[in-house]
Amino acid sequence: QVQLQQSGAELAKPGTSVKLSCKASGYTFTSYYIYWVKQRPGQGLEWIGYIYPGNGGTYYSEKFKGKATFTADTSSSTAYMLLGSLTPEDSAYYFCARDWFAYWGQGTLVTVSS
Amino acid sequence: DVVMTQTPVSMSVSLGGQVSISCRSSQSLVHNNGNTYLSWYIQKPSQSPQLLIYKVSNRFSGISDRFSGSGSGTDFTLKISRVEPDDLGVYYCGQGTQYPLTFGSGTKLEIK
Repeated sequence: QVQLQQSGAELAKPGTSVKLSCKASGYTFTSYYIYWVKQRPGQGLEWIGYIYPGNGGTYYSEKFKGKATFTADTSSSTAYMLLGSLTPEDSAYYFCARDWFAYWGQGTLVTVSS
Repeated sequence: DVVMTQTPVSMSVSLGGQVSISCRSSQSLVHNNGNTYLSWYIQKPSQSPQLLIYKVSNRFSGISDRFSGSGSGTDFTLKISRVEPDDLGVYYCGQGTQYPLTFGSGTKLEIK
C-alpha cells in the first residue's frame, strides 16, 4: 500500500534552516509528483509546490520561492524540503502528498523560536 | 491565483442527516484538456487531510457513496448523506487546474 513517512518534529532558531524528509513506499517513486503543503495550527492548507522525482523537476508557488527547496533521492525513495531563513511565521505543520493529493504523509511540525 | 471560497464556515448536523457544502472559484476550473480539477478533502481532528472526491464527482478509492460531488465551471457542491460520527472534521475544496494549486478555507462539520 502507498505510504509516505515524514520525519519528526523540528525545533529551530530564527535564521536557521531545517530539512524535512518524506519517505515513499508502495509505489514507483519516480513516476509520481510529490507535493508539499503548509498548515499553520488551526488554519487552512497552503500549497508550497512540487518535485517530480523522475527528472528532478520542481515548481514553487511564488510565495515560497527562496524559502523552500525541494530535492529527491531516488535510491531511497525519499523527497526532501529544505526551509531556509526561518522566522516564526514558518512555524507550521508541513505535509508531503503524492500527486493529486491522493496520499498524504502524517505531517511534520516545525516550531521556530529563539 | 485562483481564489476558492467555501460556505458555510461551519455547520452542525444531526446523525443521519444531510449536509451540503458550497465551493466557488474565482475563475473557471475547466482545464484546456476539458477536465475540471476540483477535489474535496476531509481533515479529521489531529489527522492529515484525506482525498474524498476528485475531478468534481469521482469518489476516491474506499470512499463511501454517502459522499457525492457535483458542479461545473466555478460552482461546486459536496453533499454528505446519512451523516455518521466519523464524518466530523474540516472539509476543504481544492483546485488543480491552474498553478499555484489553491484550497478553500475550510468548512467545519460538527455533529449535534
